[in-house]
Amino acid sequence: AQSVAQPEDQVNVAEGNPLTVKCTYSVSGNPYLFWYVQYPNRGLQFLLKYITGDNLVKGSYGFEAEFNKSQTSFHLKKPSALVSDSALYFCAVRDMSAAGNKLTFGGGTRVLVKP
Amino acid sequence: EAQVTQNPRYLITVTGKKLTVTCSQNMNHEYMSWYRQDPGLGLRQIYYSMNVEVTDKGDVPEGYKVSRKEKRNFPLILESPSPNQTSLYFCASSFRASTSEQYFGPGTRLTVT
Repeated sequence: AQSVAQPEDQVNVAEGNPLTVKCTYSVSGNPYLFWYVQYPNRGLQFLLKYITGDNLVKGSYGFEAEFNKSQTSFHLKKPSALVSDSALYFCAVRDMSAAGNKLTFGGGTRVLVKP
Repeated sequence: EAQVTQNPRYLITVTGKKLTVTCSQNMNHEYMSWYRQDPGLGLRQIYYSMNVEVTDKGDVPEGYKVSRKEKRNFPLILESPSPNQTSLYFCASSFRASTSEQYFGPGTRLTVT
Protein backbone atom coordinates (compact mmCIF):
# COMPACT_ATOMS: atom_id res chain seq x y z
CA ALA A 1 0.00 0.00 0.00
CA GLN A 2 1.19 3.49 -0.76
CA SER A 3 1.85 6.03 1.96
CA VAL A 4 3.18 9.52 2.51
CA ALA A 5 4.90 10.84 5.61
CA GLN A 6 5.36 14.47 6.55
CA PRO A 7 7.44 14.15 9.71
CA GLU A 8 6.96 17.73 10.93
CA ASP A 9 3.58 18.97 12.10
CA GLN A 10 4.84 22.54 12.02
CA VAL A 11 7.80 24.42 10.62
CA ASN A 12 8.71 27.85 11.89
CA VAL A 13 10.99 30.10 9.87
CA ALA A 14 11.91 33.76 9.82
CA GLU A 15 10.99 35.81 6.79
CA GLY A 16 13.82 35.82 4.28
CA ASN A 17 15.27 32.52 5.47
CA PRO A 18 15.15 29.29 3.48
CA LEU A 19 12.09 27.11 3.94
CA THR A 20 12.05 23.32 3.69
CA VAL A 21 9.05 21.06 4.18
CA LYS A 22 9.89 17.37 4.27
CA CYS A 23 8.08 14.52 2.56
CA THR A 24 8.88 10.85 2.17
CA TYR A 25 6.78 8.30 0.32
CA SER A 26 6.29 4.61 -0.23
CA VAL A 27 4.81 3.09 -3.39
CA SER A 28 5.15 -0.20 -5.18
CA GLY A 29 5.42 1.29 -8.65
CA ASN A 30 6.72 4.53 -10.10
CA PRO A 31 5.58 7.52 -8.06
CA TYR A 32 3.87 10.63 -9.30
CA LEU A 33 4.41 13.26 -6.61
CA PHE A 34 2.53 16.46 -5.87
CA TRP A 35 2.63 19.38 -3.46
CA TYR A 36 -0.46 21.36 -2.53
CA VAL A 37 -0.95 24.38 -0.27
CA GLN A 38 -4.02 25.26 1.77
CA TYR A 39 -4.64 28.78 3.01
CA PRO A 40 -7.14 29.37 5.83
CA ASN A 41 -10.73 28.68 4.82
CA ARG A 42 -9.71 27.74 1.30
CA GLY A 43 -9.42 24.60 -0.75
CA LEU A 44 -6.10 23.09 -1.70
CA GLN A 45 -4.08 24.73 -4.45
CA PHE A 46 -1.61 22.92 -6.65
CA LEU A 47 2.04 23.99 -6.28
CA LEU A 48 4.10 21.56 -8.33
CA LYS A 49 4.47 17.96 -9.44
CA TYR A 50 7.06 15.39 -10.39
CA ILE A 51 6.10 12.92 -13.07
CA THR A 52 9.34 12.13 -14.82
CA GLY A 53 12.51 13.81 -16.01
CA ASP A 54 14.58 16.36 -14.09
CA ASN A 55 14.67 15.64 -10.40
CA LEU A 56 14.40 19.33 -9.52
CA VAL A 57 10.92 20.63 -10.17
CA LYS A 58 9.97 24.30 -10.09
CA GLY A 59 6.46 25.42 -9.27
CA SER A 60 4.26 28.32 -8.30
CA TYR A 61 5.17 31.19 -5.95
CA GLY A 62 8.92 30.44 -6.11
CA PHE A 63 8.66 26.94 -4.66
CA GLU A 64 10.68 24.00 -5.88
CA ALA A 65 11.03 20.36 -4.88
CA GLU A 66 13.66 17.73 -5.39
CA PHE A 67 12.80 14.15 -6.18
CA ASN A 68 15.25 11.71 -4.60
CA LYS A 69 14.52 8.15 -5.61
CA SER A 70 17.11 6.50 -3.37
CA GLN A 71 15.80 8.29 -0.28
CA THR A 72 12.16 8.14 -1.47
CA SER A 73 11.81 11.81 -0.67
CA PHE A 74 10.25 14.84 -2.30
CA HIS A 75 11.07 17.82 -0.07
CA LEU A 76 9.54 21.21 -0.81
CA LYS A 77 11.85 24.21 -0.71
CA LYS A 78 11.82 27.94 -1.07
CA PRO A 79 15.05 29.97 -0.93
CA SER A 80 13.54 32.98 0.82
CA ALA A 81 10.29 32.61 2.74
CA LEU A 82 7.58 35.27 2.89
CA VAL A 83 5.05 35.89 5.63
CA SER A 84 2.38 35.15 3.01
CA ASP A 85 3.78 31.61 2.68
CA SER A 86 2.28 30.78 6.06
CA ALA A 87 -0.18 27.98 5.31
CA LEU A 88 -0.77 24.24 5.49
CA TYR A 89 1.23 22.18 3.01
CA PHE A 90 0.37 18.71 1.78
CA CYS A 91 2.52 16.21 -0.06
CA ALA A 92 0.73 13.57 -2.13
CA VAL A 93 1.74 10.52 -4.12
CA ARG A 94 -0.02 8.69 -6.88
CA ASP A 95 0.81 5.06 -7.44
CA MET A 96 0.04 4.25 -11.05
CA SER A 97 -0.27 0.58 -10.18
CA ALA A 98 -3.07 1.23 -7.68
CA ALA A 99 -6.76 1.02 -8.51
CA GLY A 100 -8.14 4.28 -9.83
CA ASN A 101 -4.63 5.77 -9.82
CA LYS A 102 -5.22 6.59 -6.16
CA LEU A 103 -3.76 9.80 -4.75
CA THR A 104 -2.62 9.51 -1.14
CA PHE A 105 -1.96 12.60 0.98
CA GLY A 106 0.35 13.13 3.90
CA GLY A 107 -0.93 14.53 7.17
CA GLY A 108 0.13 18.07 6.32
CA THR A 109 2.76 20.47 7.66
CA ARG A 110 1.83 23.87 8.97
CA VAL A 111 4.32 26.55 8.00
CA LEU A 112 4.58 29.71 10.05
CA VAL A 113 6.77 32.48 8.66
CA LYS A 114 7.49 35.20 11.17
CA PRO A 115 8.37 38.76 10.17
CA GLU B 1 -13.30 31.24 -14.61
CA ALA B 2 -12.22 27.62 -14.29
CA GLN B 3 -13.38 26.34 -10.95
CA VAL B 4 -14.89 23.65 -8.78
CA THR B 5 -17.91 24.76 -6.79
CA GLN B 6 -19.45 23.12 -3.74
CA ASN B 7 -22.67 23.80 -1.92
CA PRO B 8 -23.38 24.37 0.83
CA ARG B 9 -20.17 25.76 2.32
CA TYR B 10 -21.38 25.21 5.86
CA LEU B 11 -23.98 22.80 7.14
CA ILE B 12 -25.18 21.86 10.61
CA THR B 13 -27.56 18.95 10.75
CA VAL B 14 -28.84 16.24 13.05
CA THR B 15 -28.15 12.54 13.12
CA GLY B 16 -30.09 10.59 10.53
CA LYS B 17 -31.29 13.46 8.37
CA LYS B 18 -30.32 12.78 4.77
CA LEU B 19 -28.25 15.43 3.06
CA THR B 20 -26.53 16.08 -0.25
CA VAL B 21 -23.45 18.16 -0.92
CA THR B 22 -23.25 19.24 -4.53
CA CYS B 23 -20.07 19.53 -6.57
CA SER B 24 -19.73 20.96 -10.04
CA GLN B 25 -16.75 21.67 -12.30
CA ASN B 26 -16.63 23.71 -15.50
CA MET B 27 -13.34 22.41 -16.89
CA ASN B 28 -14.64 19.34 -18.73
CA HIS B 29 -12.58 17.12 -16.44
CA GLU B 30 -12.96 13.38 -16.60
CA TYR B 31 -11.87 12.56 -13.07
CA MET B 32 -13.65 13.71 -9.92
CA SER B 33 -13.17 12.79 -6.30
CA TRP B 34 -14.42 13.48 -2.79
CA TYR B 35 -12.15 13.81 0.24
CA ARG B 36 -12.65 14.45 3.90
CA GLN B 37 -10.08 16.38 5.92
CA ASP B 38 -9.62 15.71 9.60
CA PRO B 39 -6.89 17.17 11.85
CA GLY B 40 -3.69 15.14 11.73
CA LEU B 41 -5.07 12.73 9.14
CA GLY B 42 -4.60 14.80 6.02
CA LEU B 43 -7.08 14.18 3.24
CA ARG B 44 -8.70 10.79 2.85
CA GLN B 45 -10.48 9.79 -0.30
CA ILE B 46 -14.15 8.86 0.04
CA TYR B 47 -15.15 8.07 -3.55
CA TYR B 48 -13.80 8.79 -6.97
CA SER B 49 -15.10 8.75 -10.52
CA MET B 50 -12.89 8.03 -13.52
CA ASN B 51 -15.60 9.24 -15.92
CA VAL B 52 -19.37 9.42 -16.32
CA GLU B 53 -21.21 6.45 -14.85
CA VAL B 54 -17.98 4.98 -13.42
CA THR B 55 -17.44 5.43 -9.68
CA ASP B 56 -15.53 3.48 -7.08
CA LYS B 57 -14.78 3.48 -3.38
CA GLY B 58 -11.85 5.27 -1.89
CA ASP B 59 -10.35 4.71 1.55
CA VAL B 60 -13.32 5.73 3.70
CA PRO B 61 -16.57 5.11 1.76
CA GLU B 62 -18.75 3.86 4.63
CA GLY B 63 -21.83 6.00 5.14
CA TYR B 64 -21.50 7.84 1.83
CA LYS B 65 -22.93 7.53 -1.67
CA VAL B 66 -22.10 9.29 -4.91
CA SER B 67 -23.41 9.45 -8.46
CA ARG B 68 -21.92 10.67 -11.74
CA LYS B 69 -24.72 11.01 -14.21
CA GLU B 70 -23.09 13.84 -16.09
CA LYS B 71 -19.50 14.90 -16.48
CA ARG B 72 -19.68 18.20 -14.59
CA ASN B 73 -21.51 17.08 -11.43
CA PHE B 74 -20.51 14.69 -8.65
CA PRO B 75 -22.79 14.99 -5.60
CA LEU B 76 -21.94 13.42 -2.25
CA ILE B 77 -24.89 11.89 -0.42
CA LEU B 78 -25.10 11.06 3.27
CA GLU B 79 -28.20 8.89 3.66
CA SER B 80 -28.11 8.82 7.47
CA PRO B 81 -25.41 11.15 8.81
CA SER B 82 -23.73 10.35 12.11
CA PRO B 83 -21.53 12.52 14.36
CA ASN B 84 -18.37 10.75 13.15
CA GLN B 85 -19.03 12.26 9.72
CA THR B 86 -18.47 15.73 11.12
CA SER B 87 -15.59 16.92 8.97
CA LEU B 88 -14.39 19.25 6.24
CA TYR B 89 -15.22 17.89 2.80
CA PHE B 90 -13.52 18.70 -0.48
CA CYS B 91 -14.50 17.90 -4.01
CA ALA B 92 -11.74 17.79 -6.62
CA SER B 93 -11.43 17.26 -10.35
CA SER B 94 -8.67 16.70 -12.87
CA PHE B 95 -8.36 16.23 -16.60
CA ARG B 96 -7.26 12.67 -16.07
CA ALA B 97 -6.45 10.53 -13.07
CA SER B 98 -2.80 9.92 -13.85
CA THR B 99 -0.48 12.87 -14.42
CA SER B 100 -2.88 15.75 -13.96
CA GLU B 101 -3.02 17.89 -10.85
CA GLN B 102 -6.34 18.14 -9.08
CA TYR B 103 -8.41 21.28 -8.73
CA PHE B 104 -10.18 21.56 -5.40
CA GLY B 105 -13.43 23.16 -4.41
CA PRO B 106 -13.60 25.59 -1.46
CA GLY B 107 -14.76 22.93 0.98
CA THR B 108 -17.93 22.14 2.92
CA ARG B 109 -17.76 22.16 6.69
CA LEU B 110 -20.30 19.66 7.99
CA THR B 111 -21.35 19.29 11.62
CA VAL B 112 -23.62 16.41 12.62
CA THR B 113 -25.11 16.67 16.10
